[in-house]
Amino acid sequence: QLQLQASGPGLVQPSETLSLTCTVSGASISSGIYYWGWFRQPPGKGLEWIGSIFYTGSASYNPSLESRVTISLDTSKNQFSLRLFSVTAADTALFYCARRKTGYQNPFDSWGQGALVTVSS
Amino acid sequence: SSELTQEPAVSVALGQTVRITCQGDSLRKYYANWYQQKPGQAPVVVIYGKDNRPSGIADRFSGSTSGNTASLTITGAQTEDEADYYCNSRDSTGNHWVFGGGTKVTVL
Repeated sequence: QLQLQASGPGLVQPSETLSLTCTVSGASISSGIYYWGWFRQPPGKGLEWIGSIFYTGSASYNPSLESRVTISLDTSKNQFSLRLFSVTAADTALFYCARRKTGYQNPFDSWGQGALVTVSS
Repeated sequence: SSELTQEPAVSVALGQTVRITCQGDSLRKYYANWYQQKPGQAPVVVIYGKDNRPSGIADRFSGSTSGNTASLTITGAQTEDEADYYCNSRDSTGNHWVFGGGTKVTVL
């Protein structure tokens, strides 16, 4: 059974880098049939796609965040990671990792439970 | 355009039918996916593509698209359907994903 678990520091200082890891079990991130994605949801607000990565390492990012974000893979640990640079209080959110199968219309059908990150001094 | 617009909130009497809409230029090219999110839980996809339901999703959920508007219909709403619903699709470039602002569904 597929499971995704986001983890990382729950508190990040303003101007610092937010780093999260998604550990995947029940599927290989090296599989050529899945994309792996990051999302966020500020408290009381809606969902936002941050970016996605394919097993080749090819990534796409939300244009509004592209200058501050990197998503990468660690196939040896079956993990993928998010780094968001120069954070502000506006980046405080619940961060989710998720998976979608290849195929243009396939949705993100498996989600982790989310990791809350607060940006504050 | 990369925006998807949803009504903030709708209410429906128990057992009645409710339709949630999502408007955006990109919907003329791409279908919407619909996610249900209950408090404290991760989103769950209820409809994807033209009108596809994942395994385990009740058949009272259905989707449709006309022009630049996608719709999610709940036929015979149940108390457990009370949740936030988000539409999601590709932007006009096809390279990025966007979400609507979400619709809070209340079952009376």
